[in-house]
Amino acid sequence: DAGVIQSPRHEVTEMGQEVTLRCKPISGHNSLFWYRQTMMRGLELLIYFNNNVPIDDSGMPEDRFSAKMPNASFSTLKIQPSEPRDSAVYFCASTQSRGGGYTFGSGTRLTVV
Amino acid sequence: GEDVEQSLFLSVREGDSSVINCTYTDSSSTYLYWYKQEPGAGLQLLTYIFSNMDMKQDQRLTVLLNKKDKHLSLRIADTQTGDSAIYFCAESPNSGAGSYQLTFGKGTKLSVIP
Repeated sequence: DAGVIQSPRHEVTEMGQEVTLRCKPISGHNSLFWYRQTMMRGLELLIYFNNNVPIDDSGMPEDRFSAKMPNASFSTLKIQPSEPRDSAVYFCASTQSRGGGYTFGSGTRLTVV
Repeated sequence: GEDVEQSLFLSVREGDSSVINCTYTDSSSTYLYWYKQEPGAGLQLLTYIFSNMDMKQDQRLTVLLNKKDKHLSLRIADTQTGDSAIYFCAESPNSGAGSYQLTFGKGTKLSVIP
């Protein structure tokens, strides 16, 4: 199994541009999570899906952030328009069951200039 | 709400034991986890313990759980330079809709001195 796959690994964009981050969870995992990691705030849960349905998006910072999961093998996190304070590492994680813990992707390092 | 606290830094000499501590507030936690994050990488699950256990050992790793004090620790025996990383404690609350969510601590950065 290739694990959780995220793309791109690095993204540098100008303020105001739209950014789309992608995630492919592990096949068979029915829950998917988007996290943001910064030095100041640590790991923050942005949104999570169960069976492709968004369950809790209370961590999404603003309306500029949106996430979709059109099918069990793909999810996107979109930021429009992007701002410098959105610069962070964004992780996607998936799990099959509560006891098994999450499997994390390698993350997307986003820099907004 | 749930909260997980860890000290931010720990420095040990190669060959010594490392002990990373964590406290949590949610008494309904059913699973508690330790993750390791190496530079530039995602979080990797190291080990986990079910709340009805008080100890779990896996090679050089020993997890101790004091449920009464809501205290979790990770001991790494014979610490190596490759153990240098950030270690995250996480808990899984035993609640319905949120049962798949983990609450993470801010992580403890372990530095191993050769």
